[in-house]
Amino acid sequence: AQKITQTQPGMFVQEKEAVTLDCTYDTSDPSYGLFWYKQPSSGEMIFLIYQGSYDQQNATEGRYSLNFQKARKSANLVISASQLGDSAMYFCAMREDPNTGNQFYFGTGTSLTVIP
Amino acid sequence: DSGVTQTPKHLITATGQRVTLRCSPRSGDLSVYWYQQSLDQGLQFLIQYYNGEERAKGNILERFSAQQFPDLHSELNLSSLELGDSALYFCASSGQGPGETQYFGPGTRLLVL
Repeated sequence: AQKITQTQPGMFVQEKEAVTLDCTYDTSDPSYGLFWYKQPSSGEMIFLIYQGSYDQQNATEGRYSLNFQKARKSANLVISASQLGDSAMYFCAMREDPNTGNQFYFGTGTSLTVIP
Repeated sequence: DSGVTQTPKHLITATGQRVTLRCSPRSGDLSVYWYQQSLDQGLQFLIQYYNGEERAKGNILERFSAQQFPDLHSELNLSSLELGDSALYFCASSGQGPGETQYFGPGTRLLVL
């Protein structure tokens, strides 16, 4: 089974609108971390936001927020007030309990295009 | 700028050759990870080192090897290169911060002709 599933290969959003990028994960570890990364066309991988499995509140970083629904094993990224510079690939990732391996698992990514 | 450096940025070589990719982690980070990103395979975890010791292994081919040196920089050696090894190779590092977040270097684009 896939550890991280991103079901939206491509998304479009109007500038200044909000957009939600979906991510579901699969783990039996009680302790894990969820991450979102942005990869612009230039290629670098930019860390956006982190959510720990024991965190009670959804993580927020500026215009980014993570909608964490533990029971549904989903960790959707919400980008508010989209900007043209948000056009990029977005990857969801998970780290399981370091005591069981510490490997990061990445999804296949979602390509976001912001339309002026 | 993530603070992780990788050299070279671009590398063009021929099949059968051997190359070495270099990575310097962020100051204070003890863990280094290597990833391969190709169009058909996505982002694949290769290997992780922690303070000089191998800690986790992913889909790393036997033709590939890595090490982390006492000064914590790491090298990824790719040998007997094949056309399919053409990819973007990332190094990432992590410390003791929240979730041991990985910070990625700019990557090395390898083209095997």
